[in-house]
Amino acid sequence: AQSVTQLDSQVPVFEEAPVELRCNYSSSVSVYLFWYVQYPNQGLQLLLKYLSGSTLVESINGFEAEFNKSQTSFHLRKPSVHISDTAEYFCAVSPLGGSQGNLIFGKGTKLSVKP
Amino acid sequence: DAGVTQSPTHLIKTRGQQVTLRCSPKSGHDTVSWYQQALGQGPQFIFQYYEEEERQRGNFPDRFSGHQFPNYSSELNVNALLLGDSALYLCASSTQGALNQPQHFGDGTRLSIL
Repeated sequence: AQSVTQLDSQVPVFEEAPVELRCNYSSSVSVYLFWYVQYPNQGLQLLLKYLSGSTLVESINGFEAEFNKSQTSFHLRKPSVHISDTAEYFCAVSPLGGSQGNLIFGKGTKLSVKP
Repeated sequence: DAGVTQSPTHLIKTRGQQVTLRCSPKSGHDTVSWYQQALGQGPQFIFQYYEEEERQRGNFPDRFSGHQFPNYSSELNVNALLLGDSALYLCASSTQGALNQPQHFGDGTRLSIL
């Protein structure tokens, strides 16, 4: 079985400051890793994913995440946040070889960017 | 190109009633997954449909059932509603086996049980 722990339920930060949203996972098998973002009253949007290859993955809007197998972590970072980044962020895993439909999510981290 | 569409957007029911939620996948997708997102929690996987059959199921009771139609659209049915069934129900679509293509989520149906 797999589980995902997001260590911070809320992260307040000022605009243009750096931010890190932490994610640790537990699994007896290899997994794929994902970060999703959810804006108010909307569904989830894929931010970035790690399937294989380079352990550093980047999104088109400046976020990046690094897969650390030894620490079973997949922390999300952005060097300079904008007001528009205010949203809830979910880390998720799915077992290698399985359908990508069966995602196990963490409880989410609410990022609040203040001017 | 329409993405994943869900209906209705909001629904209010009372305990013991039955409810049906609907989902149309993104064009070109053949697989539909359903998730339950309780307030303050991450989404929890209910089940997945492909080729009109339930392929995977999460830890949900038999009160939760589903169906997929030949046009790939899907329904989620919940019987004997409980207060704890109040949640946002999300539908996600994908193409079976296409791991490099992201899953697309709808905006959800918010179900409130009184």
